[in-house]
Amino acid sequence: NAGVTQTPKFRILKIGQSMTLQCAQDMNHNYMYWYRQDPGMGLKLIYYSVGAGITDKGEVPNGYNVSRSTTEDFPLRLELAAPSQTSVYFCASRAGTGIHGELFFGEGSRLTVL
Amino acid sequence: DAKTTQPTSMDCAEGRAANLPCNHSTISGNEYVYWYRQIHSQGPQYIIHGLKNNETNEMASLIITEDRKSSTLILPHATLRDTAVYYCIVRGPKTSYDKVIFGPGTSLSVIP
Repeated sequence: NAGVTQTPKFRILKIGQSMTLQCAQDMNHNYMYWYRQDPGMGLKLIYYSVGAGITDKGEVPNGYNVSRSTTEDFPLRLELAAPSQTSVYFCASRAGTGIHGELFFGEGSRLTVL
Repeated sequence: DAKTTQPTSMDCAEGRAANLPCNHSTISGNEYVYWYRQIHSQGPQYIIHGLKNNETNEMASLIITEDRKSSTLILPHATLRDTAVYYCIVRGPKTSYDKVIFGPGTSLSVIP
């Protein structure tokens, strides 16, 4: 199993550009999450999904959009990139229902907006 | 979910036990304590979780006090590779249990 795969690993964007961060998991997990981590700071939840077709906002959703058309994929869309979105983005998934099940994280996508 | 409080940073000598505390005084009866760690620039890694009994696995031990208001993660023989940020999270069905929210964690430095 590959686990949680994120692409791209690195990306530089200009202000106002848009892009999609890809996240795929091969563990048949229902739950998927997107976090961002600014330098020297903790993880902040952007969006999460409890299954295909169902998404919800986390702590810092502004400036982002998500979709979940399949169990495997959970892309994060950045519209009109801003310098404040410079961060490392982590995707995670977990099995289980409700509170149970540990998170499995991808290696991260490092985004710089100039 | 209950709020957690952890020290900002800790040091531990290589080979000694690292004891990382977490305070969760508002925890309710059906909330679990989860621990993760994040080694520099990598995605966080699950360590262990528990409800009220002490737990042990190949990575660590989790000691939960009888009143469940605090817990301690123990790394029995810390190595340099254990240098990381350690996150204590309390999760339960009280509020939105689908979310997983991380706090700032404890930065553990293992010193040679």
